[in-house]
Amino acid sequence: KQEVTQIPAALSVPEGENLVLNCSFTDSAIYNLQWFRQDPGKGLTSLLLIQSSQREQTSGRLNASLDKSSGRSTLYIAASQPGDSATYLCAVPSLNGGYQKVTFGTGTKLQVIP
Amino acid sequence: DTGVSQDPRHKITKRGQNVTFRCDPISEHNRLYWYRQTLGQGPEFLTYFQNEAQLEKSRLLSDRFSAERPKGSFSTLEIQRTEQGDSAMYLCASSPIKGGREPDTQYFGPGTRLTVL
Repeated sequence: KQEVTQIPAALSVPEGENLVLNCSFTDSAIYNLQWFRQDPGKGLTSLLLIQSSQREQTSGRLNASLDKSSGRSTLYIAASQPGDSATYLCAVPSLNGGYQKVTFGTGTKLQVIP
Repeated sequence: DTGVSQDPRHKITKRGQNVTFRCDPISEHNRLYWYRQTLGQGPEFLTYFQNEAQLEKSRLLSDRFSAERPKGSFSTLEIQRTEQGDSAMYLCASSPIKGGREPDTQYFGPGTRLTVL
């Protein structure tokens, strides 16, 4: 059974700081890994998707890396802004008897202080 | 707006009542998923449709829960005899099929927040 863990659970940083969010998973036989952002009381916004054959993906100030062998992914946010304040979730899909199932981490709640 | 939509956005009900939620996926997406998210937790998988076929159900989906996707387009999630423990955000997502059985990017709706009094 896939288990996904995110550390830290919460993070507070001053504006402008670079930061790293961590995601670890127990079953390395993954197809891809996705990072999402969730604002309070809202749905999920996809940030980055890394295929299992890739080592990293970049979008603007965001960079996600993937190390399948160690079961880890990191989300790097450069020059953080107050608008980055949200909960960040990683998700790992796997095939379960031929059908898709996605396992989410519990998230890291980020607060960027102006 | 051509994203995933969910209705209603908020639902307050009394324990024991039945509730039904609707999800309209992105029109060309074959796959549709339901998740439940409680406070401080990540979303938990409930069930998954490919077109009109319900292909997997989590054990979280008790016999009080039923989901349908009758024409392979919109989906409904019904909870019968609601309990306070059903209070959560119910999220719907959809994805296209790239080919084969590989998973693809899931696009999420805004969710329906259920409060059972």
